[in-house]
Amino acid sequence: NAGVTQTPKFQVLKTGQSMTLQCAQDMNHNSMYWYRQDPGMGLRLIYYSASEGTTDKGEVPNGYNVSRLNKREFSLRLESAAPSQTSVYFCASRTNRDYNSPLHFGNGTRLTVT
Amino acid sequence: GNSVTQMEGPVTLSEEAFLTINCTYTATGYPSLFWYVQYPGEGLQLLLKATKADDKGSNKGFEATYRKETTSFHLEKGSVQVSDSAVYFCALSMKAGGTSYGKLTFGQGTILTVHP
Repeated sequence: NAGVTQTPKFQVLKTGQSMTLQCAQDMNHNSMYWYRQDPGMGLRLIYYSASEGTTDKGEVPNGYNVSRLNKREFSLRLESAAPSQTSVYFCASRTNRDYNSPLHFGNGTRLTVT
Repeated sequence: GNSVTQMEGPVTLSEEAFLTINCTYTATGYPSLFWYVQYPGEGLQLLLKATKADDKGSNKGFEATYRKETTSFHLEKGSVQVSDSAVYFCALSMKAGGTSYGKLTFGQGTILTVHP
């Protein structure tokens, strides 16, 4: 009964370092999303993948790249981390692009960039 | 573009008090509306939704009615419990088409704390 699994849970990086946030879902969902959550700003969409093999930019894509490795996995990469990327990152999935279907979220990755 | 505005928080209530969290939206067209809840240390989970005007979503004693005339989707609960302490997010999702296809737009979140 895993749902959406994110790793790692916590990470501290120095400015300029790179890392990849991993996300996997076991619900056979087509669409997957990466959001960042910052105080007072709600959740903002970074990138999404409407189906395996496709990715698109969201509201705040600068400084990030993504890979939809297969139907289950959708990773987010920071090539050169900046303090402005300190945030909590959430991966989510949904069964299809139907705008009525709910998102299922992972428990988040708390990233600090010093 | 589409946007969601929630009432400023944090909201602090005593157990069994009445809760209202206001949410208004701006959208071109007729969105579906959602309330998500985030408990400490966890991701968001769907609380309730409404997909057309005058629909009422309900779950776990919470209710919200889709009001097209006032572009609102206020969350209410008649008697809150300590276990309701969480962050609540209002969100909208648009019908297929254009760049907003299938994506959710979230409000900024409202922190609710319920004391015994």
